[in-house]
Amino acid sequence: GDSVTQMEGPVTLSEEAFLTINCTYTATGYPSLFWYVQYPGEGLQLLLKATKADDKGSNKGFEATYRKETTSFHLEKGSVQVSDSAVYFCALSGGGSEKLVFGKGTKLTVNP
Amino acid sequence: DTAVSQTPKYLVTQMGNDKSIKCEQNLGHDTMYWYKQDSKKFLKIMFSYNNKELIINETVPNRFSPKSPDKAHLNLHINSLELGDSAVYFCASSLGSGTGIYFGEGSWLTVV
Repeated sequence: GDSVTQMEGPVTLSEEAFLTINCTYTATGYPSLFWYVQYPGEGLQLLLKATKADDKGSNKGFEATYRKETTSFHLEKGSVQVSDSAVYFCALSGGGSEKLVFGKGTKLTVNP
Repeated sequence: DTAVSQTPKYLVTQMGNDKSIKCEQNLGHDTMYWYKQDSKKFLKIMFSYNNKELIINETVPNRFSPKSPDKAHLNLHINSLELGDSAVYFCASSLGSGTGIYFGEGSWLTVV
């Protein structure tokens, strides 16, 4: 079945550091790919998405590019802030299914 | 002006009780979901409804019974609560496959 693997956390960075959270997927066909963010004590927010190969999703300084050849959708940000501290989830949907398959989440802590 | 709203946000109850969580979306979406997030932050789909019809049921115990009176509402009723039911339950909705799923703020259920 479809699956998502993302890098184990936790990840701890200093403010203004470069962030990469790796995400790879296994799916039949051509899934849509997503990054969700969950701030402490809150629900999930859609951060960005890409629906086809080579698409780049971007939002709030975060970017991720849909790489079909490497089945990856790595999340990047050039300069993180303390307010970016959260849990980040990579997810996919595809094969005509409505459901999202999530990775296990990566907790990011940004220190001042 | 909340898009996906669910109540209650926090619920503490004793083993064996029956409880319900309500969900409403004002986005005009056709599809609604219930997801469960366990203590390790892992997210898994429980149910999906499209226009009041059940389309996904992911081997959830039959103590869990979703009900969709109309396409804007999807409630979750849980009978005979067990300790292992303690989790955060997220309601969500979407327009269609690949467009992204929008989550409510979650309902924190604690069974004691």
